[in-house]
Amino acid sequence: DQQVKQNSPSLSVQEGRISILNCDYTNSMFDYFLWYKKYPAEGPTFLISISSIKDKNEDGRFTVFLNKSAKHLSLHIVPSQPGDSAVYFCAATPERHNNAGNMLTFGGGTRLMVKP
Amino acid sequence: DVKVTQSSRYLVKRTGEKVFLECVQDMDHENMFWYRQDPGLGLRLIYFSYDVKMKEKGDIPEGYSVSREKKERFSLILESASTNQTSMYLCASSLLGFSGNEQYFGPGTRLTVT
Repeated sequence: DQQVKQNSPSLSVQEGRISILNCDYTNSMFDYFLWYKKYPAEGPTFLISISSIKDKNEDGRFTVFLNKSAKHLSLHIVPSQPGDSAVYFCAATPERHNNAGNMLTFGGGTRLMVKP
Repeated sequence: DVKVTQSSRYLVKRTGEKVFLECVQDMDHENMFWYRQDPGLGLRLIYFSYDVKMKEKGDIPEGYSVSREKKERFSLILESASTNQTSMYLCASSLLGFSGNEQYFGPGTRLTVT
């Protein structure tokens, strides 16, 4: 059973509008969350993260919101640009320091298409 | 500029063949990972290593083994390839210490087993 789920396999948005990508998790041990972006023929790249001690983290056009009680997080992209078209993966892990290895559990991904 | 390289972008192998996928990172990272990416399933961890000669099983280790003889190199081995191992394989590396440290990924190897 997938512990991190992205229920929308794809999302289409007009350029300049807001894109909202959603992610749900079931494991209560998860308290650090990350978003990765993947273009075709490239490996995923880190986008933004959030610790469970916060409910919001913002970096330029990208904001991640965390609702711990609902075990839900979302990534907002405002304004969306055609270059944002990619597959977005959310990932989760227990937050540990002095840790050997950092195992991330990934969701299935959402393909975002931003139309000019 | 950080870099993770994988030995092949595309690979076609026959059922039963032994397959080696190589990954090299130049960032002096302690952690290295092997994932497979399948549609709708996201990235699933096969094995990871946090030090030379150390390895830990991930979520789907069956049918795979790994080798880490040098810090910069992490190899994934399919002892006897099967058609259900047709997939995109991604290698990644990260610093030791914090569980949320950014993982840096290679471009991937698309393996087809016929």
